[in-house]
Amino acid sequence: EPEVTQTPSHQVTQMGQEVILRCVPISNHLYFYWYRQILGQKVEFLVSFYNNEISEKSEIFDDQFSVERPDGSNFTLKIRSTKLEDSAMYFCASNERNQPQHFGDGTRLSIL
Amino acid sequence: RKEVEQDPGPFNVPEGATVAFNCTYSNSASQSFFWYRQDCRKEPKLLMSVYSSGNEDGRFTAQLNRASQYISLLIRDSKLSDSATYLCVVTHYNTDKLIFGTGTRLQVFP
Repeated sequence: EPEVTQTPSHQVTQMGQEVILRCVPISNHLYFYWYRQILGQKVEFLVSFYNNEISEKSEIFDDQFSVERPDGSNFTLKIRSTKLEDSAMYFCASNERNQPQHFGDGTRLSIL
Repeated sequence: RKEVEQDPGPFNVPEGATVAFNCTYSNSASQSFFWYRQDCRKEPKLLMSVYSSGNEDGRFTAQLNRASQYISLLIRDSKLSDSATYLCVVTHYNTDKLIFGTGTRLQVFP
């Protein structure tokens, strides 16, 4: 069964540094998403992306965040200057139109 | 008020038991409904979509009551492998973003 894959599985970064999280969505999917889950809390929507542009973003997704689809397969989330409160699991998801979203197994981001 | 509310549990049940989880949502514009399961420190995985007429998938039955803005999940004949957190998820009309509840933790014991 096709999967969404994410790298790295764990990223440790100093506060103030830039970090890029990578995702390879399922190949025939056209809609891409990032979510995050702070330890012990619910999963929260960050951003959705379609046709090479952001469709929707949450209030969490401020100017420090950006997304990109640099080639035909990768979908990245960049955090420009990380803060302690950015520590969380970050999940990428993808789907076809009007179908359920499938999640990658996440990147655990730890900010020191 | 949280948009999607669930009893956090934990629900501790013996193998073979039937267990039911409830979820309420506050936004009447909610359009699509799902149950996902999440194992500890893993990604959410789709368990089932929830349809207005109710639907069943093996030991799992989901119900939706739009008037009461209430969703339920029934698990029959619980297995040890059912131990997980069950996430109630909704979307609104004209948006694809998933809105998650905090989840209900289930622990099935031998």
